[in-house]
Amino acid sequence: QQPVQSPQAVILREGEDAVINCSSSKALYSVHWYRQKHGEAPVFLMILLKGGEQKGHEKISASFNEKKQQSSLYLTASQLSYSGTYFCGTEDHRGSTLGRLYFGRGTQLTVWP
Amino acid sequence: NAGVTQTPKFQVLKTGQSMTLQCAQDMNHEYMSWYRQDPGMGLRLIHYSVGAGITDQGEVPNGYNVSRSTTEDFPLRLLSAAPSQTSVYFCASSKKTSGRAYEQYFGPGTRLTVT
Repeated sequence: QQPVQSPQAVILREGEDAVINCSSSKALYSVHWYRQKHGEAPVFLMILLKGGEQKGHEKISASFNEKKQQSSLYLTASQLSYSGTYFCGTEDHRGSTLGRLYFGRGTQLTVWP
Repeated sequence: NAGVTQTPKFQVLKTGQSMTLQCAQDMNHEYMSWYRQDPGMGLRLIHYSVGAGITDQGEVPNGYNVSRSTTEDFPLRLLSAAPSQTSVYFCASSKKTSGRAYEQYFGPGTRLTVT
């Protein structure tokens, strides 16, 4: 039930754009995105809900295709501070397990000056 | 407001020893969970709790026990440590689910080595 993230790693120059993808084999209720810097705890970025509501980060956007069980995270005009590992967490709609997240293996993003 | 706190930050155990990783939150969150993070594996759910007195297993529960006697605390017990339990452990909390998951707040982590 672990979602699949792609690519595994991305290297960018400052100002370039990147897309990180997350897909699941299960019908999804929500998709969460987190960023983790080396040696630190993951930090919440964004939630995308079934039905289209989106809450999260002002400089990073995302989409959620419910029919394909996929989400994409868009980082535009990347900054050095964007470097880190990005994780998607998926929540499937199964009654008693609402709220339980399955995380992908992560995408390591490196931004160079 | 300390958020989510974990102790200890680092721990070395010998195979067969037991110990408890502590987790506390001061945000009155009802949902708490424990994850382990291994290189290249992402975050894997060990156990979670939707409120005091209610716990359930995650993806990798074997070798771990939890209990939730208060809203604030959610300790993780290793019954008989094994080298395969060498990992970084994160505790997280969020508001109670009422139809969907909310953003999770993670503690700083405990780095555990079992020799």
